This record gives sequence, structure tokens and C-alpha cells, in this order.
Amino acid sequence: EPEVTQTPSHQVTQMGQEVILRCVPISNHLYFYWYRQILGQKVEFLVSFYNNEISEKSEIFDDQFSVERPDGSNFTLKIRSTKLEDSAMYFCASRGARREKLFFGSGTQLSVL
Amino acid sequence: AQTVTQSQPEMSVQEAETVTLSCTYDTSESDYYLFWYKQPPSRQMILVIRQEAYKQQNATENRFSVNFQKAAKSFSLKISDSQLGDAAMYFCAYNWNYGGSQGNLIFGKGTKLSVKP
Repeated sequence: EPEVTQTPSHQVTQMGQEVILRCVPISNHLYFYWYRQILGQKVEFLVSFYNNEISEKSEIFDDQFSVERPDGSNFTLKIRSTKLEDSAMYFCASRGARREKLFFGSGTQLSVL
Repeated sequence: AQTVTQSQPEMSVQEAETVTLSCTYDTSESDYYLFWYKQPPSRQMILVIRQEAYKQQNATENRFSVNFQKAAKSFSLKISDSQLGDAAMYFCAYNWNYGGSQGNLIFGKGTKLSVKP
């Protein structure tokens, strides 16, 4: 089965630093998403991306966050100035045409010290 | 606002037995999807089963089946012949307008399932 690939699997950063989380969605997919899960809590939607623009975002996705699809294969999430509360598992997901299922990556665990 | 509620933080089942995980949701939409995701200790999100709201027939996937009660806004997951590998966190999730460019999954808080040998 095709896979969504996320790198790195773990990232440690200092508070205030910028981080970029990388994802390679499945090649023919059109819709891309970022979710996050703080340890012990539920998975929360951050943002969806379609046709090279953000189609929807949650209240969590403030000005510190941005997404980009720089080269037609990668899909990145950037956090400009990390805070302690940004520590979480970040999941990338993608899907193809309408009504197809969502494929999740295996996540990037971000630890902000 | 749409919400998903899982009222069982933890459940336990004996190997080979059957267990049912509960989920209720709130929405004013008529066209939506419901999902159960499994999250093992590796924390990867694995789709177990999905149900389309306009289909009256309950979805099944091998040992996994759902009881979808649209009027009651209830969506429970039944795991038959439980196996040790079923031990995981299970999340119920909802999505409306799944086919469109907008839409996102709303997750419940999860149920931690333990399987006893």
C-alpha cells in the first residue's frame, strides 16, 4: 500500500527556534493536511491544503504556522518561533480524489525545550 | 459545532472475546463520514473502518464492524475474536463534506483498549 512519509521522526529544538517538518504525500494525491497530537490528548486538525493554497485552518494554526508545497512532491509545516506548548506529534495526511480515504504518515515527534 | 464523544477512556477484553467501543457525535449535517482509527504504541494512525452516513448498512472489515444509529448519532465499534495485536488507542472521528477540498477530521478523546491473554 502507498505511504505518506514524514521526516524526521523525532525533532528536538530550543524554544524560539524555527522548525520545518517535512512530508512526502502519496504521489497522485491532491489534498494535504497537518494534524497534531499532544501526548495523551486527542488528535487535532491544523490545516488543509488544496490546489496550492490553504483551504481550511483551525484556531490553533496561527501566524506562527505556515505550510508550503515547494516542489510538487514535498509538503512542509513551518513553525517560526517554537513555544513549549508546540511539543506534540505532528501528523501529515493526504488523500486523492473525492471521497477517498485519508492516509496518515507515521508522524514527527517535536520536542521544544 | 460538531463534536465527537467517547465516554470510555479505557476498556479491557479477554483474548478471543468480543468488545464494543462507544462513540456519539453531534452534527446538524446530513452527509458525513464516520471513522474508527487505531493508534498502537508506535503512534501511527491506522484506519480501521469507515461509514458513510447515507448508507444504512453497517460497515464491516473482517473482525471489525460498526453499529451506526443515525437518529441516535451513535457509532460503536465491535471487535470480534479479539487478538493481542488489537491492543491500542482507538479514536472515533467525524468528517463532513469529505469529498470536498474543505473538511477535516474531528476526533474523540480516544479509548485505550487492553487485551488480556
